[in-house]
Amino acid sequence: DQQVKQNSPSLSVQEGRISILNCDYTNSMFDYFLWYKKYPAEGPTFLISISSIKDKNEDGRFTVFLNKSAKHLSLHIVPSQPGDSAVYFCAFTGGTSYGKLTFGQGTILTVHP
Amino acid sequence: SAVISQKPSRDICQRGTSLTIQCQVDSQVTMMFWYRQQPGQSLTLIATANQGSEATYESGFVIDKFPISRPNLTFSTLTVSNMSPEDSSIYLCSVEKGPTSYEQYFGPGTRLTVT
Repeated sequence: DQQVKQNSPSLSVQEGRISILNCDYTNSMFDYFLWYKKYPAEGPTFLISISSIKDKNEDGRFTVFLNKSAKHLSLHIVPSQPGDSAVYFCAFTGGTSYGKLTFGQGTILTVHP
Repeated sequence: SAVISQKPSRDICQRGTSLTIQCQVDSQVTMMFWYRQQPGQSLTLIATANQGSEATYESGFVIDKFPISRPNLTFSTLTVSNMSPEDSSIYLCSVEKGPTSYEQYFGPGTRLTVT
């Protein structure tokens, strides 16, 4: 029972362009949504989050969008930089699972100079 | 932000043996979490460890296989018992950013290979 799906295992983008990473979920009890970035041999690093009462949250080059009716979460990175190349995971919590994160499968982002 | 260290960073173990992974945090935290990331897979929560109480295990994980200790507010251990090649994974500990936050800080992980 996959509650979270990141359907694109990889994404390749030119430096300076926009990167869009997507995540779909099925559990309607989720109401807090996060994005993490992971470099090889390191633990995941928190990027940005959004609660269910919002549909958009910005932090510098990173913007997270939430479409609750479609159960869809996306992360926009603009402009993309080579240092953004990493694995990106969406993560969710809520309902009876507060405090416990459910992660997507991850998307490998490669930003080419 | 919390600084989390894990030991060992990596290990190669023979099947049937056990490995204990240590997680140290530079500040006192109430809840610590242990995750597993199997090759090419996502992070899966193994258990939640609160100081002074038994760890709470997620579906598919049992205490006999993954015993956890939480002796104080800055330290926890996860043991992978009677290992098989299927246990080859990255094991990560994490802590909450704060009592009212859902963000978690992660350690660097322990890469375990079972032969």
